[in-house]
Amino acid sequence: DVKVTQSSRYLVKRTGEKVFLECVQDMDHENMFWYRQDPGLGLRLIYFSYDVKMKEKGDIPEGYSVSREKKERFSLILESASTNQTSMYLCASSTTGGGSYEQYFGPGTRLTVT
Amino acid sequence: RKEVEQDPGPFNVPEGATVAFNCTYSNSASQSFFWYRQDCRKEPKLLMSVYSSGNEDGRFTAQLNRASQYISLLIRDSKLSDSATYLCAANYGGATNKLIFGTGTLLAVQP
Repeated sequence: DVKVTQSSRYLVKRTGEKVFLECVQDMDHENMFWYRQDPGLGLRLIYFSYDVKMKEKGDIPEGYSVSREKKERFSLILESASTNQTSMYLCASSTTGGGSYEQYFGPGTRLTVT
Repeated sequence: RKEVEQDPGPFNVPEGATVAFNCTYSNSASQSFFWYRQDCRKEPKLLMSVYSSGNEDGRFTAQLNRASQYISLLIRDSKLSDSATYLCAANYGGATNKLIFGTGTLLAVQP
């Protein structure tokens, strides 16, 4: 079974703090993704990475950055947290081989910024 | 127009009923489609992949209609445990591994 883990299930931070969310997958997947999910808006792609040290902006990258130093680990960084970044953050991974695009999700981090 | 659209529901059905959801997509280059199940406050979990005309797994059947650009999910003999939000997703097309997700359809199976 694919396993994707995220560093925290719940996190409370103050406005202006720098926030690190970590994601680790154990399936040697090339691709990793960060989404946020908000009621009525669905899953929105923040950033994704298709290889170590490679990254591409998704649909809503503003206010976020990412780091992928090792294949299994993909970090999302909120440079200066704001209240409108309160959300559920979901990490996912997928393989490139065989034309398969299935993404497997971690349990999510529910971030509250006060 | 949203790229992947779903009826948000809720669909309230009795146990044992058959229920079907549709999902339309706008990108004709999309080749791969997926249904995910998401329980309240949990992560989406892959339910079915659809690469050609359809796929079946027990009580669940997914169909793809390329001409009309929609996929459907049919659940037969609904169980209380099927209550969840069902998300559909399509790949962006081309070589990218990105998926576009719909906002989900809420299913509530009543006893």
